[in-house]
Amino acid sequence: AQSVTQLDSQVPVFEEAPVELRCNYSSSVSVYLFWYVQYPNQGLQLLLKYLSGSTLVKSINGFEAEFNKSQTSFHLRKPSVHISDTAEYFCAVTYNQGGKLIFGQGTELSVKP
Amino acid sequence: KAGVTQTPRYLIKTRGQQVTLSCSPISGHRSVSWYQQTPGQGLQFLFEYFSETQRNKGNFPGRFSGRQFSNSRSEMNVSTLELGDSALYLCASSSGRLAVGELFFGEGSRLTVL
Repeated sequence: AQSVTQLDSQVPVFEEAPVELRCNYSSSVSVYLFWYVQYPNQGLQLLLKYLSGSTLVKSINGFEAEFNKSQTSFHLRKPSVHISDTAEYFCAVTYNQGGKLIFGQGTELSVKP
Repeated sequence: KAGVTQTPRYLIKTRGQQVTLSCSPISGHRSVSWYQQTPGQGLQFLFEYFSETQRNKGNFPGRFSGRQFSNSRSEMNVSTLELGDSALYLCASSSGRLAVGELFFGEGSRLTVL
């Protein structure tokens, strides 16, 4: 069965430190990968996506993720986090099935001053 | 452009009752998907509608159903509620077939079953 694994349920980090949130997915010939962010009491917002082309994708607020086909990974990184980055982050995959996304369990990022 | 609107935002029901949740997608979006979010199971796909037709379905019992109207608005219904149905139900819309995974989510309807 298709699946997504987020290896860390909680990641505490100090402000201005680098962070990596890990995501692995089950292998497939064709896959599209996403990171969504959920702030408290809100819905999910798309952070960044990989559909094709360059394996390194970036968001407007400094996050980036790299698609690694051989390791079936799509880890999310940020070189310097802010308090405002505190949220839950979800990795998701779709196998070209329209609106059906398979989500990981989520990683709670907590940025401390 | 208005976002995805879900109503009601919060509701409390008792076991055995039924509930109907509503979702208004972003104007022009024809695809609506529904997800259940719980602390234990995370985000799980319920179903997707595109142009009033169910296009995909997740692994939920028949008590969970949905529909989409000609104006793309969608409703989901849960009958014979169980305690385990307590969850945040999220609706998401997208512009169409080519918008792979580019879902825009509403803030959700939080259902508590007592």
